[in-house]
Amino acid sequence: DSGVTQTPKHLITATGQRVTLRCSPRSGDLSVYWYQQSLDQGLQFLIHYYNGEERAKGNILERFSAQQFPDLHSELNLSSLELGDSALYFCASSVVGLAAQETQYFGPGTRLLVL
Amino acid sequence: GQQLNQSPQSMFIQEGEDVSMNCTSSSIFNTWLWYKQDPGEGPVLLIALYKAGELTSNGRLTAQFGITRKDSFLNISASIPSDVGIYFCAGQVGNTPLVFGKGTRLSVIA
Repeated sequence: DSGVTQTPKHLITATGQRVTLRCSPRSGDLSVYWYQQSLDQGLQFLIHYYNGEERAKGNILERFSAQQFPDLHSELNLSSLELGDSALYFCASSVVGLAAQETQYFGPGTRLLVL
Repeated sequence: GQQLNQSPQSMFIQEGEDVSMNCTSSSIFNTWLWYKQDPGEGPVLLIALYKAGELTSNGRLTAQFGITRKDSFLNISASIPSDVGIYFCAGQVGNTPLVFGKGTRLSVIA
């Protein structure tokens, strides 16, 4: 158990819908990262938040957004869902995340299926 | 953007055999990481490498940071059934986001 929790574990929805994925980092970790894992693309970095502020953006679609709240949990919002958004979404956390050589701890993931 | 080429894509081996997988890049990384992902779980860090030429072991696992800083390998000795899973390499430059390979799927036949 990494100490990172993600809910829900599974989500099935329809195209055009909007969903929210939730992540609670390890106790004391200030940074949260979101990744998308699909069969053909591997793990792709989406976005990094540190202490409530966005720090880095990867290949995140405009239909996707995220935020980190004062209690440091984070939510990833996916809207106007398409079939191709079906994937595993992982959250990871680290203590600070502003320096190199810092381990990221991954949660168990949310499996999203868009029908 | 940066890409990591990880090979092989999949491997089927007999229990007790040694395993070797590698990761190459066209660009330099300052940090190489190896993760393992079990079914239904998130990736777990196995080994972290921070210096070119560094060779690090973690039990039956050994990984090396290539001297060109463009490659890394992971070896698993005397494989056991619980080694089954997907192994990912990841590279990082400074504190920029991790770049992951597409993984090597390992199957162990008892």
